[in-house]
Amino acid sequence: NAGVMQNPRHLVRRRGQEARLRCSPMKGHSHVYWYRQLPEEGLKFMVYLQKENIIDESGMPKERFSAEFPKEGPSILRIQQVVRGDSAAYFCASSTAGRSGDEQFFGPGTRLTVL
Amino acid sequence: GIQVEQSPPDLILQEGANSTLRCNFSDSVNNLQWFHQNPWGQLINLFYIPSGTKQNGRLSATTVATERYSLLYISSSQTTDSGVYFCARGSSASKIIFGSGTRLSIRP
Repeated sequence: NAGVMQNPRHLVRRRGQEARLRCSPMKGHSHVYWYRQLPEEGLKFMVYLQKENIIDESGMPKERFSAEFPKEGPSILRIQQVVRGDSAAYFCASSTAGRSGDEQFFGPGTRLTVL
Repeated sequence: GIQVEQSPPDLILQEGANSTLRCNFSDSVNNLQWFHQNPWGQLINLFYIPSGTKQNGRLSATTVATERYSLLYISSSQTTDSGVYFCARGSSASKIIFGSGTRLSIRP
């Protein structure tokens, strides 16, 4: 049973380009969460999605960031017109259900570097 | 807002030593997880422990939900235990909230 998969593992972009980060949840999991870790900090919640629905996006920056989890395929976190402050590790997690007590399992992360 | 506080922020130990990491939280929990982030940045699930005690090899964890704290014990430390240890608790909105971590360095 494969764990949460993320790709790419490392992504380098120049300022103004777009970054697309992908996450495939664990088999049998239909709830996906994205977290961001800035250098030397803990992880901060960004967005929670179920298939075709955004449930909670309270942690998403208001501009340039979007997320989706289509009926088929991985969840995508998209960052438009990246800036140096977007450089961070982006982690995806999944759970079997969206209950507040459920254990979340994390992927290996995507490390985004903006030049 | 919900607070998750970890102590100590940094810990340096010799190989073979034991350690206790603490996590205090400001509200009742229905989800408490411990993670290890290794020096390569990977986040590894250690324990899912809303209450009670669990053990896995040299590691064990105890959560006392009524007193709002959790402890992670590492015995006979090895250099591969180095990294940052995070605790995280669930919120009513399904997201989990991370503490700022304890950075553990094990010297050979």
